[in-house]
Amino acid sequence: DTEVTQTPKHLVMGMTNKKSLKCEQHMGHRAMYWYKQKAKKPPELMFVYSYEKLSINESVPSRFSPECPNSSLLNLHLHALQPEDSALYLCASSQGQKNTEAFFGQGTRLTVV
Amino acid sequence: AQTVTQSQPEMSVQEAETVTLSCTYDTSESDYYLFWYKQPPSRQMILVIRQEAYKQQNATENRFSVNFQKAAKSFSLKISDSQLGDAAMYFCAYRSEWNQGGKLIFGQGTELSVKP
Repeated sequence: DTEVTQTPKHLVMGMTNKKSLKCEQHMGHRAMYWYKQKAKKPPELMFVYSYEKLSINESVPSRFSPECPNSSLLNLHLHALQPEDSALYLCASSQGQKNTEAFFGQGTRLTVV
Repeated sequence: AQTVTQSQPEMSVQEAETVTLSCTYDTSESDYYLFWYKQPPSRQMILVIRQEAYKQQNATENRFSVNFQKAAKSFSLKISDSQLGDAAMYFCAYRSEWNQGGKLIFGQGTELSVKP
């Protein structure tokens, strides 16, 4: 199983809503990542979890709150988002943080209205 | 800080022909990894090929090969016998061996179209 599964695939939310994005992998990977990607742009790193601990936060606004309940799951909790937060949110995992490639999920297309 | 530059926003190739996508990068590190990812309209980022900086031999994966020039900090991707399914956005990416927690630094991407 070399899949990273993200749910939902599409999400429309209002600026006052609270929602969560979910990511799951069963490859035994110990590093998991959230990236944000705008249309026709490269992905930009948001957070890195290593062994279920937050190791990198790329100065992401607090309206995005990551959570790693266990080694297979990664959540991104969303609250009071702005329309400019509309983007494709990609989850990725790798065996470790060093010298291994990252596997990506299909992403969640988020629209904030 | 490391940077990755892809100077070709768009490229086009005839089916069955060969195309080369360019990538240059800037780093002061000696140990790092370079990747080419493909992102079709389905959105999933798919790893095409990887290169370890300490290896002199260029990586190959079936129809995909790279020309890695470490001194010139160049990492181009050659796609041979292009197929319609190769049409996608291609991103070159850099990853430090020791620093930055596994962060991938991407270039701006090259959108490849394949003409039948």
